[in-house]
Amino acid sequence: DTGVSQDPRHKITKRGQNVTFRCDPISEHNRLYWYRQTLGQGPEFLTYFQNEAQLEKSRLLSDRFSAERPKGSFSTLEIQRTEQGDSAMYLCASSLVGGGGNEQYFGPGTRLTVT
Amino acid sequence: GQNIDQPTEMTATEGAIVQINCTYQTSGFNGLFWYQQHAGEAPTFLSYNVLDGLEEKGRFSSFLSRSKGYSYLLLKELQMKDSASYLCAFMDSNYQLIWGAGTKLIIKP
Repeated sequence: DTGVSQDPRHKITKRGQNVTFRCDPISEHNRLYWYRQTLGQGPEFLTYFQNEAQLEKSRLLSDRFSAERPKGSFSTLEIQRTEQGDSAMYLCASSLVGGGGNEQYFGPGTRLTVT
Repeated sequence: GQNIDQPTEMTATEGAIVQINCTYQTSGFNGLFWYQQHAGEAPTFLSYNVLDGLEEKGRFSSFLSRSKGYSYLLLKELQMKDSASYLCAFMDSNYQLIWGAGTKLIIKP
């Protein structure tokens, strides 16, 4: 257990539905990242927050994806009008930039299946 | 531009030693990371190199040469539980990780 939690762990939804995932990072960490991972690939960057500010969003990310981190604590990732191509593992990670190692600690992930 | 490359799959024998190589190209560099990922699970942090040389941590060691854009992860005394994917990633000038696709390590008895 890294101290990063994600909810839910699994989500099955029908195409066209909206889904929302939650991530609770390690409390003292200032950065929070969202990634997507498909089988046989490394994590694909989606977006990240420094405290409550969303500093970057992948150019590959469609407008159907949105993320928030109110008050710089937990974060949510919403996917609107889901498509079958959105099926993947959604990973959240947190880190303390400027605090030494900069390593990212990952939550267990949310596996999304769009039918 | 930025890119990172590692072998897709490697096979080794229980009790042996295996070296997984990683090469990268980037203009901004803030360190090289190795993560282990078991099937269906999230990546777990193994090592971080920011200076040239070898970092040893138990059965695992990681090496970095910044001038060559090269790193390797060395696993000694392989155990069956080491069967996993090993991901290398470098941190760019914005403190973002750029990931390789991972090396699937198969351990045979």
